[in-house]
Amino acid sequence: QVHLVQSGAEVKKPGASVKVSCKASGYSFTTYGLHWVRQAPGQGLEWMGWINTGNGYTNYSQNFQGRVTFTRDTSANTAYMEMSTLRSEDTAVFYCAVWRNAFDIWGQGTMVTVSS
Amino acid sequence: NFMLTQPHSVSESPGKTVIISCTRSSGSIASNYVQWYQQRPGSAPTTIIYEDNERPSGVPDRFSGSIDSSSNSASLTISGLKAEDEADYYCQSYDGSGFVFGTGTEVTVL
Repeated sequence: QVHLVQSGAEVKKPGASVKVSCKASGYSFTTYGLHWVRQAPGQGLEWMGWINTGNGYTNYSQNFQGRVTFTRDTSANTAYMEMSTLRSEDTAVFYCAVWRNAFDIWGQGTMVTVSS
Repeated sequence: NFMLTQPHSVSESPGKTVIISCTRSSGSIASNYVQWYQQRPGSAPTTIIYEDNERPSGVPDRFSGSIDSSSNSASLTISGLKAEDEADYYCQSYDGSGFVFGTGTEVTVL
């Protein structure tokens, strides 16, 4: 069965960085790209970008370019999202998701709270 | 990039039909497939429509999708509304620059 399991909740101070992991199972990790989506409390879904898990190519949404880095470890079937220079408005749930003909596999979400 | 605009909320009684619109701000709605997701509180989204009007297995045929080039919009129709349909719904599409989610619609079953 296809699963994406994300790392646990994080609490960070403004200006810090956070790294969220997304471990895939039940399929060949390098077959599908891995996308990241942000959802602030009470707000909608926002696409952040994606990583080609085969060759490491990344594509970032303009809203996150320069502040987010996607990486992957194919030996661990795991993708990572690192966001730097956190501010309070970055408080959100971050999801990883696989795109096939839709975002049809999602991680459970990781809550990141930015607070002094 | 383009935007996808949805009504903030819709409400209807059980057994009735609701239609949620999703209007694309620039570029043709027909140029890239539209997907629809249902999100219940505290849960990740799930796909209910892909490629404009296709349903994943397990999604009831009460859910249907369509596009209308004249209004440059997509629509999600939920017929025979049930209490379990109460959730947030998002449309989503893409272009050469990336992927875009709609603003989201809260569906309330009265």
